[in-house]
Amino acid sequence: GDSVTQMEGPVTLSEEAFLTINCTYTATGYPSLFWYVQYPGEGLQLLLKATKADDKGSNKGFEATYRKETTSFHLEKGSVQVSDSAVYFCALSKAAGNKLTFGGGTRVLVKP
Amino acid sequence: EAGVTQFPSHSVIEKGQTVTLRCDPISGHDNLYWYRRVMGKEIKFLLHFVKESKQDESGMPNNRFLAERTGGTYSTLKVQPAELEDSGVYFCASSLMEPNEKLFFGSGTQLSVL
Repeated sequence: GDSVTQMEGPVTLSEEAFLTINCTYTATGYPSLFWYVQYPGEGLQLLLKATKADDKGSNKGFEATYRKETTSFHLEKGSVQVSDSAVYFCALSKAAGNKLTFGGGTRVLVKP
Repeated sequence: EAGVTQFPSHSVIEKGQTVTLRCDPISGHDNLYWYRRVMGKEIKFLLHFVKESKQDESGMPNNRFLAERTGGTYSTLKVQPAELEDSGVYFCASSLMEPNEKLFFGSGTQLSVL
């Protein structure tokens, strides 16, 4: 079946550092790919998405490119802030419906 | 506009007891989903309602779990009897339409079965 694998955390880094969270997937067909973020005490929020190969999703300084050849959707941000501390989830869905398959989540802690 | 609301935020029960979780989706959202994250692992799909009908319940773990959405508004997820392995965070999400319409998640119910 479909699956998503992302790097385990926690990832601890200093403010203004470069952040990368790796995500790879296994799926038949052509899934859409997502990054969701969960800030402390809140629900998951859609951070960005890409619906086809070579698409780049971006939001709030975060970017991820849909790489079909490597089945990857790595999340990057050039300069993190303390407010970026959260748990980040990579996910995919097929065309039929919003049934998401999630990775295990990566906790990111940004220190001032 | 109110977001997706889940109640309670935390629940601690003993093995064998019954617990009912509630989700109020965003008004007008026909699609409602239940997910859960067990022991810090992946968030897994449980089921999907379209209005009051169960569209997909392939993720429901066993018959101790019963989800309802009477009238197509709020939904409840009942676990009876609860087991230790049911502990985790239960998320509800809603959306206007599919496919790939943006999902809005609630903040989850943390369930602890002792």
